[in-house]
Amino acid sequence: DAEITQSPRHKITETGRQVTLACHQTWNHNNMFWYRQDLGHGLRLIHYSYGVQDTNKGEVSDGYSVSRSNTEDLPLTLESAASSQTSVYFCASSGGANQPQHFGDGTRLSIL
Amino acid sequence: QQQVKQSPQSLIVQKGGISIINCAYENTAFDYFPWYQQFPGKGPALLIAIRPDVSEKKEGRFTISFNKSAKQFSLHIMDSQPGDSATYFCAARGVSGTYKYIFGTGTRLKVLA
Repeated sequence: DAEITQSPRHKITETGRQVTLACHQTWNHNNMFWYRQDLGHGLRLIHYSYGVQDTNKGEVSDGYSVSRSNTEDLPLTLESAASSQTSVYFCASSGGANQPQHFGDGTRLSIL
Repeated sequence: QQQVKQSPQSLIVQKGGISIINCAYENTAFDYFPWYQQFPGKGPALLIAIRPDVSEKKEGRFTISFNKSAKQFSLHIMDSQPGDSATYFCAARGVSGTYKYIFGTGTRLKVLA
C-alpha cells in the first residue's frame, strides 16, 4: 500500500542547531506540504511543492526551508532552531486539486 | 479573510448522542470543504468533504451541512461512539485551482461510554 512516512518521530535538539525532518511518500504525488500543529492554531502551512524543483512559502515559512530533488521526498530544514519552533510537524501529499491530502504520522520536535 | 473559525474547542457527548462541530469562513473563493479526524499520535485523515454547490452530504453516521449564504458549515456525528473520540479539523481549500488548505483550530471530542 502507498504511504507517507516521516522521520524521526521524535527529536530533541538545542537552539541554534540545524535540524532536518524527512518526509517520504510512495503515492507518486506531485504535491507535498509541510505543516506545524500547535494548540490553538490548528495546522499551519510552512512550505509546499507542486513538483520536482518547485518550492513555495506558506503562511509561517520564516526559519524553515525545503528542497524537492525527486517526487518522493520533501525534507524540511530548520536553519537555526529556535524554541518557538517546538511543535509537531506533519507532512502531507496529494494527487491534485480534487484529491484529499494524505498525512504522515508527524514528528514531535522539542528545541531546548 | 483567510481564516476558518471552528467551535467549540472541546466537546463531551454521551454515547449514542449527536456531536456537532461548527466552522465559519470569510473568503467566498473557498471551493472545497473537508473534515479531518485525528487520533493521538497520528496524522489527520480525511473523514468527509463537501463542495459549496451542495447543502448536505452524508456518509454513514457523519453528515456535513453547508450554508453558503451564511458562510458556515458543520459536522454532525450521529449515534456518537467512544471510538469517535478524536480531534476534528475543518478545512477550506484556498484560491481555486490550488492545492492549499486553511485549517480550523480543531475540536477535541470525547464520547463517554
